[in-house]
Amino acid sequence: NAGVTQTPKFQVLKTGQSMTLQCAQDMNHEYMSWYRQDPGMGLRLIHYSVGAGITDQGEVPNGYNVSRSTTEDFPLRLLSAAPSQTSVYFCASSYREGRPQHFGDGTRLSIL
Amino acid sequence: SQQGEEDPQALSIQEGENATMNCSYKTSINNLQWYRQNSGRGLVHLILIRSNEREKHSGRLRVTLDTSKKSSSLLITASRAADTASYFCATDESGTSYGKLTFGQGTILTVHP
Repeated sequence: NAGVTQTPKFQVLKTGQSMTLQCAQDMNHEYMSWYRQDPGMGLRLIHYSVGAGITDQGEVPNGYNVSRSTTEDFPLRLLSAAPSQTSVYFCASSYREGRPQHFGDGTRLSIL
Repeated sequence: SQQGEEDPQALSIQEGENATMNCSYKTSINNLQWYRQNSGRGLVHLILIRSNEREKHSGRLRVTLDTSKKSSSLLITASRAADTASYFCATDESGTSYGKLTFGQGTILTVHP
């Protein structure tokens, strides 16, 4: 069972570049979310989705965009990368909101 | 701001000892969850306790919840070196849309063999 798969695992970008972090789950979960983890800050919610076609903002949405065209996939787009977006990004899914979440292993992103 | 505040920030113990971590939160909740994160990995769900429950057990884990004090504790008994990890509490706040989880900053547990 793959669970939640995130790609890439590591990425280095230059300021101003754009990129998409991929997230896919094979558990038929309706609820998916993106977090960023910074030292001393815990996990902060960026965007979430309660089902295909439905997304909403979390605590720190600025500079990020999401879409949910299928149940399985929930990509996160950085529109114009900034050094402040250097972080570890985690995607998670659960069968419904508020329930235990399954996490991917993260994407470690550095922006120079 | 973070809903969950965890205490202590770091805990170092010997194998076989018990480890206790605490979490405080600010608002009413539907449930509170504890997660473990090994270095370089994603979070793994450990246990969920509902707002109408006071104590829950799972193997060597014991979680308590005191909604009047808005606090929870995670006890790991007879710790092992493999328990070395960061531990996070997360709250499902009641009254918010779509049951978003809010995570605390975590406790780093080191268990020395």
